[in-house]
Amino acid sequence: ILNVEQSPQSLHVQEGDSTNFTCSFPSSNFYALHWYRWETAKSPEALFVMTLNGDEKKKGRISATLNTKEGYSYLYIKGSQPEDSATYLCARVRGTASKLTFGTGTRLQVTL
Amino acid sequence: GAVVSQHPSRVICKSGTSVKIECRSLDFQATTMFWYRQFPKQSLMLMATSNEGSKATYEQGVEKDKFLINHASLTLSTLTVTSAHPEDSSFYICSARTGGAPDTQYFGPGTRLTVL
Repeated sequence: ILNVEQSPQSLHVQEGDSTNFTCSFPSSNFYALHWYRWETAKSPEALFVMTLNGDEKKKGRISATLNTKEGYSYLYIKGSQPEDSATYLCARVRGTASKLTFGTGTRLQVTL
Repeated sequence: GAVVSQHPSRVICKSGTSVKIECRSLDFQATTMFWYRQFPKQSLMLMATSNEGSKATYEQGVEKDKFLINHASLTLSTLTVTSAHPEDSSFYICSARTGGAPDTQYFGPGTRLTVL
């Protein structure tokens, strides 16, 4: 993998469903991976910064795991709510200058 | 905490004019800010890194004379799109780096530029 890729591009779930999406990235020269939540007309909100292989982070109903050896991270949302509707972005840190390379995001829509 | 504002949120200008976009860190000091651009259905693409008190560094393919960056204080960076053309129409968004642990970037809400 040469770039940061996210799948699926979009997802439509019912309230209460649990869901997950994937971020794939080049595994060589890994520094860190960021996850952001981006609601329309707002600033992207930082969710997690992950650095270590096997890292697992949690914030409320949202959690993320990291596998740096194979180059992927999963984001999980348990019991989705309409307010979880947003685009979820992952970004790989390039080198020590903290430059981010973003995926195109997964757009999640949660309906009642 | 860690709020970044961006102004204006939306601007429409005529071809050939210059447009300035401001990015401010409201409650923290940022020695480094970043400018990104997003075209429709594409990812956020880093344009340049703005360092307080020094010249910005630009990503490959980004014209430094076209996109002027000034980072005169620890809380303000500006991006000026000079002699704008319709192909410069895009969504521009900035981020500010906290430099703490973990090293997180906080984003502004973005600016939608339309060049007629």
